[in-house]
Amino acid sequence: SQQGEEDPQALSIQEGENATMNCSYKTSINNLQWYRQNSGRGLVHLILIRSNEREKHSGRLRVTLDTSKKSSSLLITASRAADTASYFCATGAGSYQLTFGKGTKLSVIP
Amino acid sequence: NAGVTQTPKFQVLKTGQSMTLQCAQDMNHNSMYWYRQDPGMGLRLIYYSASEGTTDKGEVPNGYNVSRLNKREFSLRLESAAPSQTSVYFCASSEALLVQEGTDTQYFGPGTRLTVL
Repeated sequence: SQQGEEDPQALSIQEGENATMNCSYKTSINNLQWYRQNSGRGLVHLILIRSNEREKHSGRLRVTLDTSKKSSSLLITASRAADTASYFCATGAGSYQLTFGKGTKLSVIP
Repeated sequence: NAGVTQTPKFQVLKTGQSMTLQCAQDMNHNSMYWYRQDPGMGLRLIYYSASEGTTDKGEVPNGYNVSRLNKREFSLRLESAAPSQTSVYFCASSEALLVQEGTDTQYFGPGTRLTVL
């Protein structure tokens, strides 16, 4: 069963705009991660936030985590055409199993 | 440094045929994973190997077997392929020095696109 659920399923924005994707999950977690998948490729790790952290930054990425609401958001600032991809959240609960959501498909229009 | 490699990239099988998907990593990682990805779905874990010599079932293990050949290699075998196994298969690895790190950053291969007719 998939724990993480991304919202929206699809997002289309103009280059230069910010993109925000949300992820909700159901059970307690140790960490939450975001991955990117370009069409026809494998997943690439973007950022990991642990359950005791509230916010994390990496370049143009900003991730927040609210464990009381069991939700996370990924913000991509000043988007570029190269950011066009599917974005997945994945939750880790202390074993070896990451549970992935169904993803948000982001299209950045030049 | 190739990271995680998978072979083959594409494969077409007939129902009932068998095949083995190969995966290798050169990052000296302890843990390795096999996922499948179906259209509109996230990734679902088939099997994982926490360390050399161990394997465990994931969410969707039926119809599959795995072998952790050594620290570098982790193979996935379909003994009798079925159309429901048409999917894209991804191998991944993570350092996972400790059990609680078992769900830390995972590094993915490029995938194998399998069609079962």
